[in-house]
Amino acid sequence: EPEVTQTPSHQVTQMGQEVILRCVPISNHLYFYWYRQILGQKVEFLVSFYNNEISEKSEIFDDQFSVERPDGSNFTLKIRSTKLEDSAMYFCASKMGGLTDTQYFGPGTRLTVL
Amino acid sequence: DAKTTQPNSMESNEEEPVHLPCNHSTISGTDYIHWYRQLPSQGPEYVIHGLTSNVNNRMASLAIAEDRKSSTLILHRATLRDAAVYYCILRDPRGNQGGKLIFGQGTELSVKP
Repeated sequence: EPEVTQTPSHQVTQMGQEVILRCVPISNHLYFYWYRQILGQKVEFLVSFYNNEISEKSEIFDDQFSVERPDGSNFTLKIRSTKLEDSAMYFCASKMGGLTDTQYFGPGTRLTVL
Repeated sequence: DAKTTQPNSMESNEEEPVHLPCNHSTISGTDYIHWYRQLPSQGPEYVIHGLTSNVNNRMASLAIAEDRKSSTLILHRATLRDAAVYYCILRDPRGNQGGKLIFGQGTELSVKP
C-alpha cells in the first residue's frame, strides 16, 4: 500500500539554524500539507499546497517558513532561522484531490531546537 | 468548518466493543463527518467518514444520528493496538479548497487487556 514518507525521523538543530524537512507524498496525489504537533498539544495545520503554490496557510506559517516541491516527488518544509518554540513533530500529508478528502499522513519528523 | 465536542478520554477492555461519541450540533448540510486516529508516536491515520448514512469499513463503523448533530465511531472488538487518540472532524469538501483538517483534542482511548 502506498504511503507518505518523511526524512529525517529526528532532527536536532541549534537555534537560528536553517532546517529542511523532507516528505515524499503518495505519487498520484495532488494536494500536500504540513502540520505540526508540539508535545502534548493538538495537531495544528501549517500550510496546504496545490498546483505548485500555497493554497492556504495558518498564522503559524510566517516568513520563517517556506515550502517547495522541487521535483515530481519531494515536498519540503524549510524553517529559515529556527526558534526554541519550533520544537515539535512535523507531519506531512497528501490527498488525491477533488472531492476526495481523505488525507494520508507520514510518520513525522521530530524537530528539536536547542 | 463546524466545531465538534468529544470526551477527553475513554477506557475499554480488550475484545469488547467501543463506542466513541462526537457532538456536532452546528453541522451544516454539506459537512462530512471524518474520523482520524493517532496511535502513540505516529501520524494521524484516516479511519472512516460519512455524510448521512451509517458507514462500515474494515476498521470501524460510523453511526450518524438522524439529525446529524452527533455521531458515534464504533470499534467492534477493541484490541490493544486500538489505543490511540480519536479525532472527529467535520469537513465540507466544497468549501475550504485548501482542504486543511482542523484537529481538536480528540478522545484518548485506552484499552485494558
